[in-house]
Amino acid sequence: DFVMTQSPDSLAVSLGERATINCKSSQSVLYSSNNKDYLAWYQQKPGQPPKLLIYWASTRESGVPDRFSGSGSGTDFTLSISSLQAEDVAVYYCQQYWGSPYTFGQGTKLEIK
Amino acid sequence: EVQLVESGGGLVQPGGSLRLSCVVSGFTFSSYWMHWVRQAPGKGLVWVSRIDPDGSDTTYADSVKGRFTISRDNAKNTLYLQMNSLRAEDTAVYYCASQSFGSGKYYPFDCWGQGTLVAVSP
Repeated sequence: DFVMTQSPDSLAVSLGERATINCKSSQSVLYSSNNKDYLAWYQQKPGQPPKLLIYWASTRESGVPDRFSGSGSGTDFTLSISSLQAEDVAVYYCQQYWGSPYTFGQGTKLEIK
Repeated sequence: EVQLVESGGGLVQPGGSLRLSCVVSGFTFSSYWMHWVRQAPGKGLVWVSRIDPDGSDTTYADSVKGRFTISRDNAKNTLYLQMNSLRAEDTAVYYCASQSFGSGKYYPFDCWGQGTLVAVSP
């Protein structure tokens, strides 16, 4: 099974500053035939279901602000928020969808400093 | 507008059973893989099960294999999760989620329901 490990577990960033969350997979999620990384990022606010932010490691879902960006390939990935807004306070999860079980990272709690 | 609405959660004793439902609207339910994902109180997301568009191919997490059964009724746009032999560690919010980017099995989970709480306690 894929093990997804996020770092850090929690993060406090000042409004307007950059936030960076890392995700490492125990195996590559890159499919060489189509050169796509089967890696997604989700945002979950308190009392709400998860919301898809990024898929194929770097493609923003429709309606997601462009301050959110994803990067990386193979086993190492990063979610960046370029200028933190108050509404970005949430827990962020990475997920591999290369195969079942569709494992999630343990989550990173993002707060305002 | 895409909507996924779960129901059927509640309090059940250890060893008991529950059936969760997820009614879908706003997209062609019969074309896409569907999933159940759970989240224990204060914990992270854990994938539980998936089912293919016509209901013939199902997969389960090891923790629920042999106890849970996923199914679907495409005529009713409804996904189900039959949960038997429930344990305290099954206590969680259960979300249904869709992969409506495409008909294959390897897509992100683009739409989620609000979840239904299952509590297993004496």
